[in-house]
Amino acid sequence: SQKIEQNSEALNIQEGKTATLTCNYTNYSPAYLQWYRQDPGRGPVFLLLIRENEKEKRKERLKVTFDTTLKQSLFHITASQPADSATYLCALGALDFGNEKLTFGTGTRLTIIP
Amino acid sequence: NAGVTQTPKFQVLKTGQSMTLQCAQDMNHEYMSWYRQDPGMGLRLIHYSVGAGITDQGEVPNGYNVSRSTTEDFPLRLLSAAPSQTSVYFCASSFDMPGQGPNEQFFGPGTRLTVL
Repeated sequence: SQKIEQNSEALNIQEGKTATLTCNYTNYSPAYLQWYRQDPGRGPVFLLLIRENEKEKRKERLKVTFDTTLKQSLFHITASQPADSATYLCALGALDFGNEKLTFGTGTRLTIIP
Repeated sequence: NAGVTQTPKFQVLKTGQSMTLQCAQDMNHEYMSWYRQDPGMGLRLIHYSVGAGITDQGEVPNGYNVSRSTTEDFPLRLLSAAPSQTSVYFCASSFDMPGQGPNEQFFGPGTRLTVL
């Protein structure tokens, strides 16, 4: 069966260090992968998209990699700040019997410690 | 530009009651969807719509109805609430239609529903 796993439920990182979050998937052939940020009591907010034929995408302090051989995406936040503390969700877009389907992981709660 | 709005923010129902969760967007997006978010389960798609008059089921549609009479509005109806429907509900919209683009989702602030 199809499965998306985000590396851990919670991750604590010292301010200024790089935070690395993992999204692994099985039994998918995703066309693209998205990352969202969710703050407590709020809806997810889109951050980055990476397509299956792209290895890496950057946006300011954010970097996403996508390895379709390893079936894994890594999400990096460099020079992390306490304001980066949030839950981060990955979502895979894939064709499912001819329909495009977006499936979300359960998220990783990131805390940046001052 | 308010984006995606949802009402109410919180709701408590008794088992068997019905209610409608409202969702509206002002971005002229054709694609709208409803998700529920439960601890340890991720966001799961309930129903979606690719335009006015067109709706379809997602992953967990049982116990929910939707309709789409206008581009802007996409209400979600709980027909007879059950404790298993206790969850946080998010409405989302997207500029891109499925299969035609990156499908970035714009989410509303959510409705926290408790069914006793």
